Amino acid sequence: AQRVTQPEKLLSVFKGAPVELKCNYSYSGSPELFWYVQYSRQRLQLLLRHISRESIKGFTADLNKGETSFHLKKPFAQEEDSAMYYCALTSAGSARQLTFGSGTQLTVLP
Amino acid sequence: GAGVSQSPSNKVTEKGKDVELRCDPISGHTALYWYRQSLGQGLEFLIYFQGNSAPDKSGLPSDRFSAERTGGSVSTLTIQRTQQEDSAVYLCASTLTAKGGEQFFGPGTRLTVL
Repeated sequence: AQRVTQPEKLLSVFKGAPVELKCNYSYSGSPELFWYVQYSRQRLQLLLRHISRESIKGFTADLNKGETSFHLKKPFAQEEDSAMYYCALTSAGSARQLTFGSGTQLTVLP
Repeated sequence: GAGVSQSPSNKVTEKGKDVELRCDPISGHTALYWYRQSLGQGLEFLIYFQGNSAPDKSGLPSDRFSAERTGGSVSTLTIQRTQQEDSAVYLCASTLTAKGGEQFFGPGTRLTVL
C-alpha cells in the first residue's frame, strides 16, 4: 500500500527564518512526488514536482529514495508563504490518482 | 480558457436526500478525478476517469456514491441518501494526458448534510 506521512500538522516560523516541511512516503513501485499548496480561500495548486527539479517561490524539494523522503525547504520564509502544504505521490509516468499526506499548516510570523 | 469549474460552490441538504455535484474539467484534459477533503480524513481519492476506459472506483466509500462522465468531459458525482459524515469539500481535478503530470484542481463544492 502507498502512504504519505507529514508528521507536522502545524508549523510556525518567523519571517526570514528557514523552513522545512517534512514528508516521508512508502511505495513499492517507482513514485512521482509532488508538493501542492492551498492558500487561504484559494484552490489547491501545484508547487513542485520532483522530476522538474525546479525552485518555485524559493522552495526546493529533493527526493531521497534511501530515506523515502521528499522534504520541502525554503531558506528564508516570507509571510505570503503561510498556507496549507500537502505532499502527494502517484505512480511515475501515469495519470493515476494522487495519494496525499494529511497536510502541514505553515504560519510565517512577522 | 478557464480552469476546472465546479457547481454548486455550496450545498446544504437534509440527511437522506440525494445530491449531485458537477465538474467541468479543462477542455481537452483526458483524465478526471474526484477527491474529498474533510477535517478528520484529509484529502481522499474517490474516483478516476481516463479517456474511454472503465473508471477506477476504488476510493468510493460506499455504494451510495456514484459518478459518471459524459462525452469525455463533464462529470457528475451523485451521493444518494446523504449522511452527516458525507459533509466535506468535494474536489474535482483534471490532467492533460494519460502520462500524468500536474493535476489542476477546481474550487470545490462544500457539502453540508444536516
